[in-house]
Amino acid sequence: QKEVEQDPGPLSVPEGAIVSLNCTYSNSAFQYFMWYRQYSRKGPELLMYTYSSGNKEDGRFTAQVDKSSKYISLFIRDSQPSDSATYLCALVSGGYNKLIFGAGTRLAVHP
Amino acid sequence: NAGVTQTPKFRVLKTGQSMTLLCAQDMNHEYMYWYRQDPGMGLRLIHYSVGEGTTAKGEVPDGYNVSRLKKQNFLLGLESAAPSQTSVYFCASGSTQRTETQYFGPGTRLLVL
Repeated sequence: QKEVEQDPGPLSVPEGAIVSLNCTYSNSAFQYFMWYRQYSRKGPELLMYTYSSGNKEDGRFTAQVDKSSKYISLFIRDSQPSDSATYLCALVSGGYNKLIFGAGTRLAVHP
Repeated sequence: NAGVTQTPKFRVLKTGQSMTLLCAQDMNHEYMYWYRQDPGMGLRLIHYSVGEGTTAKGEVPDGYNVSRLKKQNFLLGLESAAPSQTSVYFCASGSTQRTETQYFGPGTRLLVL
C-alpha cells in the first residue's frame, strides 16, 4: 500500500464549477499536509498547507484535513481556466521536512 | 532573487554515459532535495542534504550520487545512465524555520536512449 494515494484523473470541469480533489494516506503520524500546483512543464509551487486537522481557506481555495479518516481534500470554488494544472498532495514525512507526494490529479477547466 | 535554478533544462544521453545536474538556490536555505517525477507516480525523493557537506539517501537513491560542497549548490550525478533514469528531475530547497515550504526549480528533462 502506498503511503499517499491520489486519483490521477484527468478531471475535466466547466468554468465556474466547484472542484474537489482528494488524497488518502496510511500513516496517522503525519501532521503537515500540503497542496502543490504544477503547470505543464513547470516546477510545483506551494498552494496551501494545513497543520493537523481542520480547514484552511485562501480565496477560492479551501484545504481540509480529516485525520480520523486519513483523508485530505482541496476544494476550488468558481474554477477558472487558469486553474488548469496538476494538483499534488504532499505530506511531511520524518525529519528534515522530507515530502511524500501523491501521484497528482490533472485538472482541466474549460470555458 | 532567482529562487531555485537548475542546469541544464533538457539533456539526451546514451546508455552508459555520465552527467551532472546542477541546482542552485539564493535563499540561504539549509535543506536541499532532489526529486524525480515519472508519469502516474508523483515526485519521489532521490537524495537530500541538510547542510553544506552533508547528504543522505531518499526513497530512490540507486544509480545516483550527490554532493553539496557549497551551501547554495546541490549536484546530482549519474555515473552510468540507464533508460530507467529517463525522467524529469526537480531540485527543491527549504528552510529549517518553515516546515511547510519547499521551493522547487523548473526541472531538468532527461532522456536516456
